[in-house]
Amino acid sequence: GDSVTQMEGPVTLSEEAFLTINCTYTATGYPSLFWYVQYPGEGLQLLLKATKADDKGSNKGFEATYRKETTSFHLEKGSVQVSDSAVYFCALHSSGSARQLTFGSGTQLTVLP
Amino acid sequence: DADVTQTPRNRITKTGKRIMLECSQTKGHDRMYWYRQDPGLGLRLIYYSFDVKDINKGEISDGYSVSRQAQAKFSLSLESAIPNQTALYFCATSRKDLDGYTFGSGTRLTVV
Repeated sequence: GDSVTQMEGPVTLSEEAFLTINCTYTATGYPSLFWYVQYPGEGLQLLLKATKADDKGSNKGFEATYRKETTSFHLEKGSVQVSDSAVYFCALHSSGSARQLTFGSGTQLTVLP
Repeated sequence: DADVTQTPRNRITKTGKRIMLECSQTKGHDRMYWYRQDPGLGLRLIYYSFDVKDINKGEISDGYSVSRQAQAKFSLSLESAIPNQTALYFCATSRKDLDGYTFGSGTRLTVV
């Protein structure tokens, strides 16, 4: 079945540091890939998405590129801020399976001033 | 008002009690979902509904039931709550397959 594997956290960075959160997947067919962010006490919000190979999703300075050859969708940001502290979830939607999102386990990011 | 509203926000209940979590949306989306979140496990799908007459079990439906009362309302019931159902529960909606989901703020349920 479909699955998503994220790098384990927690991740702690200083402000303005470079961020990478790794995400790899296993899926049938050609899935769409997503990153969601969960701020403390809130629900998940869509951060970015990519629907086909080599697409790059971007939003709020975050980027992720859909790499079919390595089945990866790593999240990056060049300079993190304290306000980026949150839990980040990688997810996939595979049309070949049960037609709903499959989530990774989440990565807690803390950015220190 | 929030696009997806969950009630209650927090609930403590006793083992064996029946409890209902409610979700309503103003997005006009046909598709609604219930997930639970546990530390280190991410989100796992409990039930989903693609329209009022379409209800489907997810990955972890045992011990849960749902009702889609209208396009905008989707409730989750625990018939006889047990402590390992202590978790954060999220309702979500979507318009179609490749859209992102819109999540509610969650219900934190504690079963003692």
